[in-house]
Amino acid sequence: QVQLQESGPGLVKPSQTLSLTCTVSGGSISSGGYYWSWIRQHPGKGLEWIGYIYYSGSTYYNPSLKSRVTISVDTSKNQFSLKLSSVTAADTAVYYCARYGAAAGLDYWGQGTLVTVSS
Amino acid sequence: EIVLTQSPATLSLSPGERATLSCRASQSVSSYLAWYQQKPGQAPRLLIYDASNRATGIPARFSGSGSGTDFTLTISSLEPEDFAVYYCQQRSNWFLTFGPGTKVDIK
Repeated sequence: QVQLQESGPGLVKPSQTLSLTCTVSGGSISSGGYYWSWIRQHPGKGLEWIGYIYYSGSTYYNPSLKSRVTISVDTSKNQFSLKLSSVTAADTAVYYCARYGAAAGLDYWGQGTLVTVSS
Repeated sequence: EIVLTQSPATLSLSPGERATLSCRASQSVSSYLAWYQQKPGQAPRLLIYDASNRATGIPARFSGSGSGTDFTLTISSLEPEDFAVYYCQQRSNWFLTFGPGTKVDIK
């Protein structure tokens, strides 16, 4: 059973960089076939795809966030990470990591972590 | 960017009733459409992928249909645990977008 777990600071100051890590267990990122994804949900709102990464390092980002987003992968630790720069209060959200299969959808999700941007 | 529209925004039904949720895409997404269920305080759960395939462990009362721009999620007979928010999601050129959601609440 694949499990994903987000970790990182729950509070980030405006203009700083939000950094989160997703640790994958029960399956190897390096086995291929899946894209490792970040999705966020503003309080009381819908879901917003941030981007994803393949184990090889290929990335795809939401065009609306592309200038501020970096997703990286560390296959030796079976982890992938999100960096979002120059954050504002509008980046306050629950951040989820998830596994995406082209023929399977976002089939495994982390529990989500609330990140608040505030001074 | 492909925009997904979901209707209705809210669906008020009683347990045992049939729920029909709609998702419309601004341009064709072929069959690259998935449906998710989200309950308060929980991560979304994959229900349907590729428009009509049930994900592992999803009860048979959930079914999906459609292709191109018009898609439907049907819950044949609502169980108490089915009252939740439902999102559709598409993939186009490897970019993902979600619809705004349909809330199914108890009448």
